[in-house]
Amino acid sequence: GAVVSQHPSRVICKSGTSVKIECRSLDFQATTMFWYRQFPKKSLMLMATSNEGSKATYEQGVEKDKFLINHASLTLSTLTVTSAHPEDSSFYICSASPGPSPNWVVLQYFGPGTRLTVL
Amino acid sequence: GENVEQHPSTLSVQEGDSAVIKCTYSDSASNYFPWYKQELGKRPQLIIDIRSNVGEKKDQRIAVTLNKTAKHFSLHITETQPEDSAVYFCAASTGNQFYFGTGTSLTVIP
Repeated sequence: GAVVSQHPSRVICKSGTSVKIECRSLDFQATTMFWYRQFPKKSLMLMATSNEGSKATYEQGVEKDKFLINHASLTLSTLTVTSAHPEDSSFYICSASPGPSPNWVVLQYFGPGTRLTVL
Repeated sequence: GENVEQHPSTLSVQEGDSAVIKCTYSDSASNYFPWYKQELGKRPQLIIDIRSNVGEKKDQRIAVTLNKTAKHFSLHITETQPEDSAVYFCAASTGNQFYFGTGTSLTVIP
């Protein structure tokens, strides 16, 4: 099946620093990648949708200057949390989609997630 | 944008009983409704999905029903087992984006 990797799995950083999270589709080309944020015992909150080669579409309330998303190739998207603060501590999950299936359904495959802790 | 609501937030059932989780959505353009199971600290795993041109779909002990007119869909798990204990999320998609429900923490009591 489709495999999506995410790196790093855990990261601890100091307040004010920037952190980059990578999301890779290993065995398929991902035309679209999604970035989610999940608080403990809470649902997945869509942060942004990125299509390869174009600017990401951010959800309302998500600061695009703080959460920089780059989708430079069909297998790689990155999320950079700039000037991280303790309130940015969360579980960040990416998902990748190969595009509409033959039945016109857009499937998504999740990465394993990245636990970010900002001290 | 789409608004997905999910109920209940927590659900405890005895092993062997059935569990039902319900979701409603607001965007009539949504045409794909997956359900995910997430174990603690792990990625969500797709367990079943349904498209808007289908009213019901079943896969062994799991079934999903969709009422397009009322804009609600439900997950049914029969003969529950302890390994079914997890958080379950519904989602609605128009094909471009996915919006998740708030999750249901299911506990199956042996």
